[in-house]
Amino acid sequence: KNEVEQSPQNLTAQEGEFITINCSYSVGISALHWLQQHPGGGIVSLFMLSSGKKKHGRLIATINIQEKHSSLHITASHPRDSAVYICAVNLGRLYFGRGTQLTVWP
Amino acid sequence: DADVTQTPRNRITKTGKRIMLECSQTKGHDRMYWYRQDPGLGLRLIYYSFDVKDINKGEISDGYSVSRQAQAKFSLSLESAIPNQTALYFCATSDAGGNQPQHFGDGTRLSIL
Repeated sequence: KNEVEQSPQNLTAQEGEFITINCSYSVGISALHWLQQHPGGGIVSLFMLSSGKKKHGRLIATINIQEKHSSLHITASHPRDSAVYICAVNLGRLYFGRGTQLTVWP
Repeated sequence: DADVTQTPRNRITKTGKRIMLECSQTKGHDRMYWYRQDPGLGLRLIYYSFDVKDINKGEISDGYSVSRQAQAKFSLSLESAIPNQTALYFCATSDAGGNQPQHFGDGTRLSIL
């Protein structure tokens, strides 16, 4: 059983589109992380949040603690946003979702 | 230079061989982690260490061992490699305390024939 469920598994978009990736979890957590994995394999931490909303450039992450749900939004998507986006929850240690493969076409 | 460095980046070896993957960090973090990633699965924790004298098993520690030689170094060993240990391996670090982001190395792609 995976404590973290992400959707969609794969996502294709045209450059400029608004993108949403969803993450649901089943138990109370202390924080949720969004990570980006580049095509070459490297993983970068994008956000860590425990309530509300955070924004960095064109990326916005939100979390609803009561509904146990988080979303990652990308505004004005660009081909360089193509990557795997991973959600992880902190339950004493991190539990990771399986990732969402995003491809943005020019 | 990368803050979290993994060596080697790629390794192909044969069943039964002993392999060591090394991780070093310049971030001054106390906490270090080893994960493996398999296609279609999320990252899974193998071992973690909260300081030099602390070693803890993760969810998939069987067939692996670790050594925390110093605050900056955390190595992962496969004593007798088997093909189902073929995967992408990541080292990560984080600061001590409640919720802290983790900083990942670039990964080691390990293939066992």
